[in-house]
Amino acid sequence: GQQVMQIPQYQHVQEGEDFTTYCNSSTTLSNIQWYKQRPGGHPVFLIQLVKSGEVKKQKRLTFQFGEAKKNSSLHITATQTTDVGTYFCAGPLNAGNNRKLIWGLGTSLAVNP
Amino acid sequence: EPEVTQTPSHQVTQMGQEVILRCVPISNHLYFYWYRQILGQKVEFLVSFYNNEISEKSEIFDDQFSVERPDGSNFTLKIRSTKLEDSAMYFCASSESVQGIGEQYFGPGTRLTVT
Repeated sequence: GQQVMQIPQYQHVQEGEDFTTYCNSSTTLSNIQWYKQRPGGHPVFLIQLVKSGEVKKQKRLTFQFGEAKKNSSLHITATQTTDVGTYFCAGPLNAGNNRKLIWGLGTSLAVNP
Repeated sequence: EPEVTQTPSHQVTQMGQEVILRCVPISNHLYFYWYRQILGQKVEFLVSFYNNEISEKSEIFDDQFSVERPDGSNFTLKIRSTKLEDSAMYFCASSESVQGIGEQYFGPGTRLTVT
């Protein structure tokens, strides 16, 4: 079935280093969403990408959607301790009512101060 | 800022018992969801709900699960006969998007422990 894969599963960086997580779908996606979950918290929506090749920025976070709409990435420049958490990508199932989000396993980011 | 609320925050139950998890979605949202997350693992879709009926459900959402919107504000998830493997964090979410899936707002979750 349709799958969304994320790498790496874990990333440990020094504060100030950059961080990137990659998301790959087995099928073309109509859109992709990114969520952040702090330890012990709930997923919080970060962004949705819809267009092929789209790039969006939120301060130090840069999100990209691939030309084929099958992959995406999240890049954080100069990480801070507040960036700690698990970053999930999710895309809608390409069937049915299109209301089911398929989630990646997430990338857990740890930042050493 | 409006938010999704969930009660209880933690529920402990014995295997075989019924539990009802409650959620109050954001008031003007039209789509409601339940997810579960086993500790340290990924978020798993259970069910989506729109216009007083189930829109999509996953293979996890078997006959032991049901959802209901008993009034204009609450959205509940019932597990009829809990199993040990139902122990997880259950998140409710809502969204207002009419076309496709838009931003989903998650509640703080209910931690269900089945003993």
